[in-house]
Amino acid sequence: NAGVTQTPKFQVLKTGQSMTLQCAQDMNHNSMYWYRQDPGMGLRLIYYSASEGTTDKGEVPNGYNVSRLNKREFSLRLESAAPSQTSVYFCASTRDSRSYNEQFFGPGTRLTVL
Amino acid sequence: DQQVKQNSPSLSVQEGRISILNCDYTNSMFDYFLWYKKYPAEGPTFLISISSIKDKNEDGRFTVFLNKSAKHLSLHIVPSQPGDSAVYFCAATLQGGSEKLVFGKGTKLTVNP
Repeated sequence: NAGVTQTPKFQVLKTGQSMTLQCAQDMNHNSMYWYRQDPGMGLRLIYYSASEGTTDKGEVPNGYNVSRLNKREFSLRLESAAPSQTSVYFCASTRDSRSYNEQFFGPGTRLTVL
Repeated sequence: DQQVKQNSPSLSVQEGRISILNCDYTNSMFDYFLWYKKYPAEGPTFLISISSIKDKNEDGRFTVFLNKSAKHLSLHIVPSQPGDSAVYFCAATLQGGSEKLVFGKGTKLTVNP
């Protein structure tokens, strides 16, 4: 039982390049989330998927797109990376977003945009 | 506008003593609160939570207190251990579930042997 896994762990991009961050969970959770954490800041929600087939914007969605590929996988895409997107990205999942369940987090992807 | 505030960026305590981490919130609609612990290069892990209908919740060495009138919660760790050294995030959610957690900026706790 790996929990929430994220790939890659580290990535360096040049401004304008695109990339997709991958996330998968093996806990049969319905809801999945993408957060970013900047130095001295808390985690801010980018996008979330309450259930397979649905996605919604969070607090900071600009510059990102997401895909809920199936119940297990939720990817985050940067179409044209900018230095302001340099951050640590965390994927999380929870059993059901409609009830009070804690979110389980992956180990993070550290992204640098030059 | 920061809805969840952790005003102390860092806290240092001696092993065996009590650690008290504080969190204030501004949105009176928040009705569920969580604490997460984060080690370097790892994702946050859930520690303890409390519903707004309670004023205290305990789990072993960890106790969370909620003062709704003051919009304040605190996490007590007794006794503190060096392995507790981490960044602690307070988070809150609105009625309807955990789809949108609002996090504070975190407090870095250092427990000295």
